[in-house]
This record gives sequence, C-alpha cells and structure tokens, in this order.
Amino acid sequence: AAGVIQSPRHLIKEKRETATLKCYPIPRHDTVYWYQQGPGQDPQFLISFYEKMQSDKGSIPDRFSAQQFSDYHSELNMSSLELGDSALYFCASSLASGLVEDIQYFGAGTRLSVL
Amino acid sequence: EDQVTQSPEALRLQEGESSSLNCSYTVSGLRGLFWYRQDPGKGPEFLFTLYSAGEEKEKERLKATLTKKESFLHITAPKPEDSATYLCAVQDTDYGQNFVFGPGTRLSVLP
Repeated sequence: AAGVIQSPRHLIKEKRETATLKCYPIPRHDTVYWYQQGPGQDPQFLISFYEKMQSDKGSIPDRFSAQQFSDYHSELNMSSLELGDSALYFCASSLASGLVEDIQYFGAGTRLSVL
Repeated sequence: EDQVTQSPEALRLQEGESSSLNCSYTVSGLRGLFWYRQDPGKGPEFLFTLYSAGEEKEKERLKATLTKKESFLHITAPKPEDSATYLCAVQDTDYGQNFVFGPGTRLSVLP
C-alpha cells in the first residue's frame, strides 16, 4: 500500500539559509499535517491543511510557511534558518471524512541539520 | 491546555516478561487517543485508536485500554523486535484533528 512520501530524507543547510520540505500524502487523503521532532523530544504539531486550506496552526514560527497544492501535496518552507531548527520534520496524512476514525499516517521524515 | 504524560520514561524487559505502559491525559473533550510505535530515525507507526472509556483493542502481543483519564498499553510476552519508543497522542474536540503527543516510553526488550 502507498505511504506518505517525504523528500528530501536528509537536508543540510547553513544558518540564515532557506529550506523547502515536500510531502506527498497517501492517495485520496485530503488532510496533511506537519510536525517537528527535536532530539529526544515528542513530535510537536506545526500546521495542517484540509482540502488545500489551512485548518489548524500550532507552534509554527513566523519564519516558516506551508501550503497544500491542487494535487494535495504539501510544502513546508523555512527561511532564516537557525541552529535550533535542526530536527526531524514529519508529515502525516489522513482522510477527514467526518467519520470517527481519522488516523494520521506518518512519513519517514526529513532530517534537517542547520550548521 | 491539553496535557499528555507517559510513564515510565524508559522500560527494560527480558524477553517474555509482560508489562504495561501508561498514558495519562487532560483534555477538554476527548475526540480520540492514539498509540504509535516509533523506531529511531523513523516516522511513528500507527498501532491503535481508542475513543471511549472501557474500549479495548488488541494486536498480536499488544492490548490497549482506555479509561476517562488514562490509557494502558499492555505488552504480553514481548520479543526483542518490540523494542521501540511508544507514543501516545490525543485529539481534543476543541482543537480540531491535530495531535498532542506524550513524551513517549522507550522500551527495550532483551533476549
């Protein structure tokens, strides 16, 4: 079965550079979530999109922005990178059908290292 | 504000030694409680969803239960391949579908 695809898997950037992370949800899933997981920490919710519109916003810095495109893939854009942005970034997708079950399926993540 | 705590922080078991992991939560209204397994450097892998107190779900050596304030993940006769971090996450009816994760329990099963 198709899973959530994230690219790139690894990314190395310098301070003050920009980075773009991509996420391709499971086919027919309409909701995408972005999480940040620092070393030894639990995933922290950043932002989510439902049907290409922002649906929820968590602890996402103003330097970050995201969007969901017409093909439902999503991109997380990160500018003016700081050392503290080094983390694993996960994308998850779900089918927000209004039914009780709305399981989020996670991708393998992008490991961002800011030097 | 939603809070999720998990205990113990780390757990070492011998192969075959059963035990339980705890997830305690505080939410305005529980939309759902989710258990995930995470291996180092990988994305969380879905295990169970629980929605109402008294609900139980089983999968192989794992069984998840839910009360009004906490959930337990029971591991029966674990094997070394069960070693991972087990994450609990909740959805609050007031805050849409995003997850609030607990800090996780690092489980090590020794052969």
